[in-house]
Amino acid sequence: NAGVTQTPKFQVLKTGQSMTLQCAQDMNHEYMSWYRQDPGMGLRLIHYSVGAGITDQGEVPNGYNVSRSTTEDFPLRLLLAAPSQTSVYFCASRSIDREVLTFGAGSRLTVL
Amino acid sequence: QQQVKQSPQSLIVQKGGISIINCAYENTAFDYFPWYQQFPGKGPALLIAIRPDVSEKKEGRFTISFNKSAKQFSLHIMDSQPGDSATYFCAATDSGSARQLTFGSGTQLTVLP
Repeated sequence: NAGVTQTPKFQVLKTGQSMTLQCAQDMNHEYMSWYRQDPGMGLRLIHYSVGAGITDQGEVPNGYNVSRSTTEDFPLRLLLAAPSQTSVYFCASRSIDREVLTFGAGSRLTVL
Repeated sequence: QQQVKQSPQSLIVQKGGISIINCAYENTAFDYFPWYQQFPGKGPALLIAIRPDVSEKKEGRFTISFNKSAKQFSLHIMDSQPGDSATYFCAATDSGSARQLTFGSGTQLTVLP
Protein backbone atom coordinates (compact mmCIF):
# COMPACT_ATOMS: atom_id res chain seq x y z
CA ASN A 1 0.00 0.00 0.00
CA ALA A 2 1.42 3.33 -1.09
CA GLY A 3 -0.21 5.61 1.52
CA VAL A 4 0.14 9.26 0.51
CA THR A 5 2.03 9.94 -2.73
CA GLN A 6 3.30 13.40 -3.64
CA THR A 7 4.75 14.55 -6.95
CA PRO A 8 7.10 16.10 -7.86
CA LYS A 9 9.68 15.71 -5.10
CA PHE A 10 11.62 18.76 -6.27
CA GLN A 11 10.66 21.75 -8.39
CA VAL A 12 12.27 25.05 -9.28
CA LEU A 13 10.07 27.87 -10.55
CA LYS A 14 10.61 31.43 -11.61
CA THR A 15 8.58 34.22 -10.03
CA GLY A 16 5.19 34.49 -11.71
CA GLN A 17 5.09 30.94 -13.03
CA SER A 18 2.34 28.53 -12.06
CA MET A 19 2.41 24.88 -11.14
CA THR A 20 0.45 22.13 -9.43
CA LEU A 21 1.67 19.87 -6.66
CA GLN A 22 -0.04 16.50 -6.86
CA CYS A 23 -1.23 14.43 -3.90
CA ALA A 24 -2.91 11.04 -4.00
CA GLN A 25 -3.89 8.63 -1.23
CA ASP A 26 -5.09 5.05 -1.46
CA MET A 27 -6.47 4.66 2.07
CA ASN A 28 -9.98 5.96 1.33
CA HIS A 29 -9.42 8.82 3.77
CA GLU A 30 -12.10 11.49 3.79
CA TYR A 31 -9.81 14.23 5.16
CA MET A 32 -6.86 15.58 3.15
CA SER A 33 -4.70 18.60 3.79
CA TRP A 34 -1.68 20.57 2.64
CA TYR A 35 0.98 21.94 4.98
CA ARG A 36 4.08 23.98 4.35
CA GLN A 37 7.20 23.53 6.47
CA ASP A 38 9.59 26.41 6.98
CA PRO A 39 12.56 26.59 9.38
CA GLY A 40 11.47 27.68 12.83
CA MET A 41 7.81 27.85 11.77
CA GLY A 42 6.75 24.25 12.14
CA LEU A 43 4.00 22.90 9.91
CA ARG A 44 1.39 25.41 8.85
CA LEU A 45 -1.94 24.39 7.34
CA ILE A 46 -2.63 25.82 3.88
CA HIS A 47 -5.91 24.19 2.80
CA TYR A 48 -7.88 21.14 3.76
CA SER A 49 -10.81 19.04 2.57
CA VAL A 50 -13.23 16.79 4.46
CA GLY A 51 -14.53 15.08 1.34
CA ALA A 52 -14.95 15.28 -2.42
CA GLY A 53 -16.28 18.69 -3.44
CA ILE A 54 -15.53 20.28 -0.04
CA THR A 55 -12.49 22.46 0.63
CA ASP A 56 -11.63 25.10 3.21
CA GLN A 57 -8.82 27.46 4.09
CA GLY A 58 -6.22 26.86 6.73
CA GLU A 59 -3.80 29.22 8.44
CA VAL A 60 -1.85 30.38 5.36
CA PRO A 61 -4.09 30.03 2.26
CA ASN A 62 -3.07 33.12 0.26
CA GLY A 63 -1.47 32.35 -3.08
CA TYR A 64 -2.73 28.76 -3.19
CA ASN A 65 -5.79 27.06 -4.66
CA VAL A 66 -7.11 23.54 -4.13
CA SER A 67 -9.88 21.33 -5.45
CA ARG A 68 -11.16 17.89 -4.46
CA SER A 69 -12.94 16.16 -7.32
CA THR A 70 -12.26 12.63 -6.05
CA THR A 71 -11.64 11.05 -2.65
CA GLU A 72 -8.14 10.03 -3.72
CA ASP A 73 -6.68 13.26 -5.13
CA PHE A 74 -6.06 16.71 -3.64
CA PRO A 75 -3.86 18.91 -5.87
CA LEU A 76 -2.37 22.21 -4.68
CA ARG A 77 -2.07 24.97 -7.28
CA LEU A 78 0.28 27.96 -7.19
CA LEU A 79 -1.04 30.47 -9.73
CA LEU A 80 1.61 33.20 -9.53
CA ALA A 81 4.62 31.80 -7.71
CA ALA A 82 6.52 34.15 -5.39
CA PRO A 83 9.86 33.69 -3.59
CA SER A 84 7.93 33.63 -0.29
CA GLN A 85 6.42 30.32 -1.42
CA THR A 86 9.81 28.64 -1.36
CA SER A 87 9.20 25.84 1.11
CA VAL A 88 8.71 22.13 1.62
CA TYR A 89 5.10 21.12 1.09
CA PHE A 90 3.46 18.12 2.72
CA CYS A 91 0.18 16.49 1.89
CA ALA A 92 -1.50 14.55 4.70
CA SER A 93 -4.66 12.51 5.06
CA ARG A 94 -6.69 10.74 7.74
CA SER A 95 -10.02 9.12 8.37
CA ILE A 96 -12.60 11.73 9.34
CA ASP A 97 -13.21 10.09 12.71
CA ARG A 98 -9.54 9.71 13.71
CA GLU A 99 -6.81 12.19 14.57
CA VAL A 100 -3.78 10.37 13.18
CA LEU A 101 -2.40 12.08 10.07
CA THR A 102 -0.50 10.14 7.42
CA PHE A 103 1.97 12.38 5.61
CA GLY A 104 3.50 12.13 2.19
CA ALA A 105 7.26 12.40 1.68
CA GLY A 106 7.10 16.07 0.75
CA SER A 107 7.70 18.30 -2.27
CA ARG A 108 10.54 20.81 -2.09
CA LEU A 109 9.73 23.96 -4.06
CA THR A 110 12.15 26.76 -4.84
CA VAL A 111 10.89 30.00 -6.39
CA LEU A 112 13.61 32.18 -7.87
CA GLN B 1 -0.41 33.59 16.57
CA GLN B 2 1.42 30.50 17.72
CA GLN B 3 -0.96 28.44 19.80
CA VAL B 4 1.58 25.74 20.60
CA LYS B 5 5.04 26.90 21.68
CA GLN B 6 7.85 24.36 21.47
CA SER B 7 11.36 24.45 22.91
CA PRO B 8 14.22 24.06 22.43
CA GLN B 9 14.66 24.65 18.71
CA SER B 10 17.63 22.29 18.68
CA LEU B 11 19.02 19.74 21.10
CA ILE B 12 22.25 17.76 21.18
CA VAL B 13 22.43 14.74 23.48
CA GLN B 14 25.01 12.06 24.03
CA LYS B 15 24.10 8.44 23.31
CA GLY B 16 22.41 6.95 26.35
CA GLY B 17 21.27 10.32 27.67
CA ILE B 18 17.76 11.67 28.17
CA SER B 19 16.27 14.02 25.60
CA ILE B 20 13.52 16.36 26.79
CA ILE B 21 11.39 18.55 24.52
CA ASN B 22 8.77 20.87 25.94
CA CYS B 23 5.54 22.33 24.60
CA ALA B 24 3.06 24.82 26.01
CA TYR B 25 -0.41 25.66 24.75
CA GLU B 26 -2.99 28.36 25.29
CA ASN B 27 -6.26 26.85 24.09
CA THR B 28 -7.93 25.01 26.97
CA ALA B 29 -10.23 23.27 24.49
CA PHE B 30 -7.35 21.18 23.16
CA ASP B 31 -8.02 17.53 23.99
CA TYR B 32 -5.47 15.53 22.01
CA PHE B 33 -1.70 16.01 22.07
CA PRO B 34 0.41 14.00 19.62
CA TRP B 35 4.12 14.04 18.92
CA TYR B 36 5.35 13.52 15.37
CA GLN B 37 8.84 12.39 14.37
CA GLN B 38 10.39 13.42 11.07
CA PHE B 39 13.57 11.98 9.55
CA PRO B 40 15.46 13.96 6.88
CA GLY B 41 13.77 13.77 3.51
CA LYS B 42 10.66 12.13 4.93
CA GLY B 43 7.26 13.25 6.06
CA PRO B 44 6.35 13.43 9.76
CA ALA B 45 4.96 10.27 11.35
CA LEU B 46 3.01 9.84 14.57
CA LEU B 47 5.29 8.80 17.42
CA ILE B 48 3.09 8.91 20.52
CA ALA B 49 0.01 10.78 21.70
CA ILE B 50 -1.83 11.59 24.92
CA ARG B 51 -5.25 12.79 26.01
CA PRO B 52 -5.68 15.09 29.04
CA ASP B 53 -7.34 12.45 31.21
CA VAL B 54 -3.91 10.97 32.04
CA SER B 55 -0.70 12.65 33.19
CA GLU B 56 1.76 10.31 31.53
CA LYS B 57 1.95 7.85 28.66
CA LYS B 58 4.89 5.59 27.95
CA GLU B 59 5.72 3.62 24.84
CA GLY B 60 9.10 1.96 25.00
CA ARG B 61 11.77 4.63 25.49
CA PHE B 62 9.35 7.46 24.70
CA THR B 63 7.21 9.10 27.38
CA ILE B 64 4.79 12.02 27.26
CA SER B 65 4.30 13.94 30.50
CA PHE B 66 1.19 16.11 30.62
CA ASN B 67 0.43 18.93 33.06
CA LYS B 68 -3.10 20.16 32.47
CA SER B 69 -3.03 22.96 35.05
CA ALA B 70 0.17 24.40 33.60
CA LYS B 71 -0.97 23.76 30.02
CA GLN B 72 2.30 22.06 29.24
CA PHE B 73 3.37 18.70 27.90
CA SER B 74 6.76 17.23 27.17
CA LEU B 75 8.42 14.36 25.35
CA HIS B 76 11.11 12.38 27.15
CA ILE B 77 13.37 10.03 25.20
CA MET B 78 15.21 7.70 27.54
CA ASP B 79 18.50 6.05 26.57
CA SER B 80 18.68 8.24 23.46
CA GLN B 81 20.20 6.57 20.40
CA PRO B 82 21.78 8.00 17.22
CA GLY B 83 18.79 6.55 15.34
CA ASP B 84 16.56 8.92 17.31
CA SER B 85 18.19 11.88 15.55
CA ALA B 86 15.27 13.60 13.83
CA THR B 87 12.98 16.60 14.04
CA TYR B 88 10.20 16.30 16.60
CA PHE B 89 6.94 18.24 16.45
CA CYS B 90 4.40 18.54 19.20
CA ALA B 91 0.82 19.25 18.20
CA ALA B 92 -2.63 19.76 19.64
CA THR B 93 -6.22 19.68 18.48
CA ASP B 94 -9.75 19.97 19.76
CA SER B 95 -13.03 18.44 18.67
CA GLY B 96 -14.48 21.81 17.70
CA SER B 97 -11.98 22.62 14.94
CA ALA B 98 -12.63 19.67 12.59
CA ARG B 99 -9.73 18.20 14.57
CA GLN B 100 -7.19 20.40 12.81
CA LEU B 101 -3.76 19.86 14.24
CA THR B 102 -1.85 22.92 15.41
CA PHE B 103 1.87 22.14 15.33
CA GLY B 104 4.74 23.49 17.37
CA SER B 105 7.78 24.92 15.61
CA GLY B 106 9.81 21.72 15.84
CA THR B 107 12.95 20.54 17.64
CA GLN B 108 15.93 19.17 15.78
CA LEU B 109 17.43 16.41 17.94
CA THR B 110 20.96 15.16 17.37
CA VAL B 111 22.16 12.18 19.37
CA LEU B 112 25.93 11.86 19.30
CA PRO B 113 27.43 8.34 19.15
